[in-house]
Order: sequence, then C-alpha cells, then structure tokens
Amino acid sequence: AQSVTQLGSHVSVSEGALVLLRCNYSSSVPPYLFWYVQYPNQGLQLLLKYTTGATLVKGINGFEAEFKKSETSFHLTKPSAHMSDAAEYFCAVSGYSSASKIIFGSGTRLSIRP
Amino acid sequence: DTAVSQTPKYLVTQMGNDKSIKCEQNLGHDTMYWYKQDSKKFLKIMFSYNNKELIINETVPNRFSPKSPDKAHLNLHINSLELGDSAVYFCASSQAGSPGELFFGEGSRLTVL
Repeated sequence: AQSVTQLGSHVSVSEGALVLLRCNYSSSVPPYLFWYVQYPNQGLQLLLKYTTGATLVKGINGFEAEFKKSETSFHLTKPSAHMSDAAEYFCAVSGYSSASKIIFGSGTRLSIRP
Repeated sequence: DTAVSQTPKYLVTQMGNDKSIKCEQNLGHDTMYWYKQDSKKFLKIMFSYNNKELIINETVPNRFSPKSPDKAHLNLHINSLELGDSAVYFCASSQAGSPGELFFGEGSRLTVL
C-alpha cells in the first residue's frame, strides 16, 4: 500500500523568502511522485513529477523537488516566494500502471506575507 | 478550449434529492476519475474508468453511481443525497503511459441542505 504524509497543514513565508513544503511517502515499490497546486476555487494542476532518472526535478513557476529514497522524501522548494504562490499544495504518489491509484497527501496551505 | 469541463459548477439541493454531475474531456485521454474534496481539502478517489471500463471503485455508498458512455465522458449520479455528501467533486483524466499525471476540471461544489 502507498501513502503520503505532508508535514505542516499551513506554511507562511515572507515574499522573497525560501519556500519549503515537506512530503514523505510510503511505498512497497519505487513510486512515481508528484506535486500539484490548487488555487482558490480551481482544480488541481501538476507542478512537477518524478518517475525515474534525475532525482532533482524542476517544475513550473520556479518550483523544484528532490527525490530522496533513503529519507522517503520528496520535498518541494522555491528559492524566492512570490505573492502569486499563495495556494494549496498537494503531494501525491502513484504506481506504474494506468490502473494505479493516485494517493494525495492532506495538503499544505502556503501563505505569503508582504 | 477547456480540457476537462464539469457541469454544473454549483449545486444546491435538499436532502433526499437526486443529482447528476457531468464531465467531458477533449484531451483524448483513456482514463477518467472522480475525486471528492471535503471541507478540509482532503482529496479522496471515488472511481476510475479506463476506456469506459470501471477499474477503481473505492468504498463509497452505492447511492453514488458513475457512468461512462464513451471514453471522453464520465458522469456521476447521486441518489438520496445526505448532508455528508456536501463537498467539491472533481473530475480528472490521464493518458495511458502517464500514470499520476492528472488533468483536473474546475470542480462541482455540491451543497446539501
């Protein structure tokens, strides 16, 4: 079985500061890992994904995440926060096939202070 | 053109009523999903169809019945609505060979009074 834990339901940072959103996963097989962003009153959209290969993956809007197998982590970072980054962020894990369930974490709300 | 579109965007209804939500995707994807997002933003998968065939059927009340007339459409019918059904329901789709890469609709907010 697979599961995802996001540490911190709410993170607040100042504009221009580093953003770090934490995600740990549990999986009996090497997982596919994802970060999604949800802006108010919208659906989720894919930020970035890790399947195989390079463990540091870059996504849209300047975000990146690093897959660390030894720590079972896939934390999301951005060097400098913008006001427009304020949203809900979800980490997710999936298996390899189209029949795999995509399991989402409980989400982290990111607030940006001016 | 909207890739994954859901209608209606908002539903307000009384307990005991029946309601349907429709979803259409124009991405040519093979797999479609229904997710439920509760008031705490927790996302739970309900159903998944691949080429009109049900492949994921989570433990949801049998008052919820999905229907996929073709691979571009996935509808959700809910009978005998209860207060606890109030949530945002999201339709999503993905392409074979890209598991986990979901394209979401904008959601349908259901409020049961």
